[in-house]
Amino acid sequence: GQQVMQIPQYQHVQEGEDFTTYCNSSTTLSNIQWYKQRPGGHPVFLIQLVKSGEVKKQKRLTFQFGEAKKNSSLHITATQTTDVGTYFCAGRNTNAGKSTFGDGTTLTVKP
Amino acid sequence: EAGVAQSPRYKIIEKRQSVAFWCNPISGHATLYWYQQILGQGPKLLIQFQNNGVVDDSQLPKDRFSAERLKGVDSTLKIQPAKLEDSAVYLCASRPIQLTYGYTFGSGTRLTVV
Repeated sequence: GQQVMQIPQYQHVQEGEDFTTYCNSSTTLSNIQWYKQRPGGHPVFLIQLVKSGEVKKQKRLTFQFGEAKKNSSLHITATQTTDVGTYFCAGRNTNAGKSTFGDGTTLTVKP
Repeated sequence: EAGVAQSPRYKIIEKRQSVAFWCNPISGHATLYWYQQILGQGPKLLIQFQNNGVVDDSQLPKDRFSAERLKGVDSTLKIQPAKLEDSAVYLCASRPIQLTYGYTFGSGTRLTVV
């Protein structure tokens, strides 16, 4: 079945440093979504990418979808303590029609 | 707009007991999902409904888990009998039928089986 892997599993940064998490799928995706889950909270939808090579920005967050539509990345510029949480990608398989979540990257930010 | 409502927030039961979770999705959202999230992992889909029909239940352990969405609105997920490995957060999510939207998750039910 479809597998979605995220690296790294954990990332500890100093406030102000940049952060990147990577998502890789074993199959070609029709779209990929990104979610943020704060400690003790539930996943909150951030964005969806659909097109090959697509790049979207939300303030300090930059999301990319690979040319082959099998990988994606989330980059945060100048992290803040409010960025703390676990970032999940969810890839939708072109054939299966359902999204599979990765196991997330947990970001901690030291003030 | 009101979010996805779930209850209870927490539940502790002994193994072999039964438990039920309830979810009320966002009004108008045709698609409803139940996910299981084990600590340190991403959400894993258990079952997907579209209106009151099951779209995907391939990962639902049907010998002990059941779910229904009568009238295509709210939904219940039941576990009977529970096992220790069922300890997890059970998340309900809904989404409009258009695939351009992401999932809106409820706050979840944290189940502890002892």
